[in-house]
Amino acid sequence: QSVLTQPPSASGTPGQRVTISCSGGSSNIGGNTVNWYQQLPGTAPKLLIYNNDQRPSGVPDRFSGSKSGTSASLAISGLQSEDEADYYCAAWHDSLTDYVFGTGTRVTVL
Amino acid sequence: EVQLVQSGAEVKKPGESLRISCQGSGYSFASYWISWVRQMPGKGLEWMGRINPSDSYTNYSPSLQGHVTVSVDKSTGTAYFQWSSLQPSDTAIYYCARHGPWGSIYFDYWGQGTLVTVSS
Repeated sequence: QSVLTQPPSASGTPGQRVTISCSGGSSNIGGNTVNWYQQLPGTAPKLLIYNNDQRPSGVPDRFSGSKSGTSASLAISGLQSEDEADYYCAAWHDSLTDYVFGTGTRVTVL
Repeated sequence: EVQLVQSGAEVKKPGESLRISCQGSGYSFASYWISWVRQMPGKGLEWMGRINPSDSYTNYSPSLQGHVTVSVDKSTGTAYFQWSSLQPSDTAIYYCARHGPWGSIYFDYWGQGTLVTVSS
C-alpha cells in the first residue's frame, strides 16, 4: 500500500488543462524532492519531472510540476491525445529507507 | 545514446531460482546507480532496491529484504536481479532504471522490462 496518494483517474478534452495531485507526509514529500513518471500503455515508465519542477530534455513544456509542504502536483496544459497514460509521483521516504511511488493516476483524453 | 537492455521473458515454477539482467550502454556504467522496479499485473510501480556499480553497495526495499539479491558485473556493464526461490507472487514485469547523476533519487533511463511468470 503506497504512502503517496493520487486520484485514480483524471480526464479532459484536447487543449484543456489537467492537474494531478500527490499527497504524502513529512518523511517523504515534506523532506525530499518529488519526481513524476509517465507510463504509456504497454511501455516502460518515462521520467517526466524531477526535483519537483525540472523537465528532462525532450519533455514538452506543457508538463509542469510543483510542490508545497507535503503535497505535489503535475499539470498538463494543452492536453493532447498522446498524453493518455498512467502518471506516478515518487519520492524518497526517509523513515522507511525506501523510494515510494504514488498510487498512480490514469489520464483519459475525451 | 544511453540504453538499458534487459533479458527476455521467463516462465518458472515455484521454488526455482532465476537471474534476470540489464545491460547498460552509451554511458559510464560505474558512475550511475541502478534501481529495480516491479509492476505486478494491472498494478502500480514498486521500488525493489538499488546498487552502486562502482562499489556494489546495495539497499533494498524493507518489504523485500532477504528475498532477492541485486548485483553487477562492471566488466560487462550489466546489473542483475535474482531470486533463490520464486513464489507465484513474484509474477510481474521487472524494470531496471538508471539513477540521475551523483546518485540522484530519480530514474532518467529505463530498460524495456522483463516479464517473469511463476506458475506451477
